[in-house]
Amino acid sequence: AQTVTQSQPEMSVQEAETVTLSCTYDTSENNYYLFWYKQPPSRQMILVIRQEAYKQQNATENRFSVNFQKAAKSFSLKISDSQLGDTAMYFCAFIFNAGGTSYGKLTFGQGTILTVHP
Amino acid sequence: NAGVMQNPRHLVRRRGQEARLRCSPMKGHSHVYWYRQLPEEGLKFMVYLQKENIIDESGMPKERFSAEFPKEGPSILRIQQVVRGDSAAYFCASSPPIGVEQYFGPGTRLTVT
Repeated sequence: AQTVTQSQPEMSVQEAETVTLSCTYDTSENNYYLFWYKQPPSRQMILVIRQEAYKQQNATENRFSVNFQKAAKSFSLKISDSQLGDTAMYFCAFIFNAGGTSYGKLTFGQGTILTVHP
Repeated sequence: NAGVMQNPRHLVRRRGQEARLRCSPMKGHSHVYWYRQLPEEGLKFMVYLQKENIIDESGMPKERFSAEFPKEGPSILRIQQVVRGDSAAYFCASSPPIGVEQYFGPGTRLTVT
């Protein structure tokens, strides 16, 4: 079974600064994806960034980037130039291809509450 | 293209009543997933359905919970004889026939009094 662990229950950062959220996972699979989701107070789940396990290059989306260390099974999220709107719960998630073109369930970590201070 | 729709957004039920949660996937999406989020926790997978088929129900409690995704109409998550421990946010997600990303609805917050 796959597990995803986020060891930081809460983090805080000053506006315009950089913050890194940690995530580790455990799997014996080779073909999988990793995601970071954001859940603001509205509770809507918003996809922030995704990483394919077979790609060595780290994914980047504007101010969001990841540090994917496959051998260490680590997948951290870096938020640069933090903005007040980044305040939210952040979830790391894992999905693997069990065969065919469908992927099945997402396995989520426990979440990290990020607060951006003005 | 409208996003994933869930209704109701809020549902209050007394202990012992039935709760029905509906999910309409995005247009063209034939895969539906249900997740439950207890307070201060992450989302936990419940069930994965394709049209008229349950593909994976490994996360569903053995009793009182059922899900369906009929040929026509929304997917339904049904909870019979609700108990206080069922109080949670229930999220539906959908994905196209080919693709890895799941698109989430706004969730239904169930409160059992």
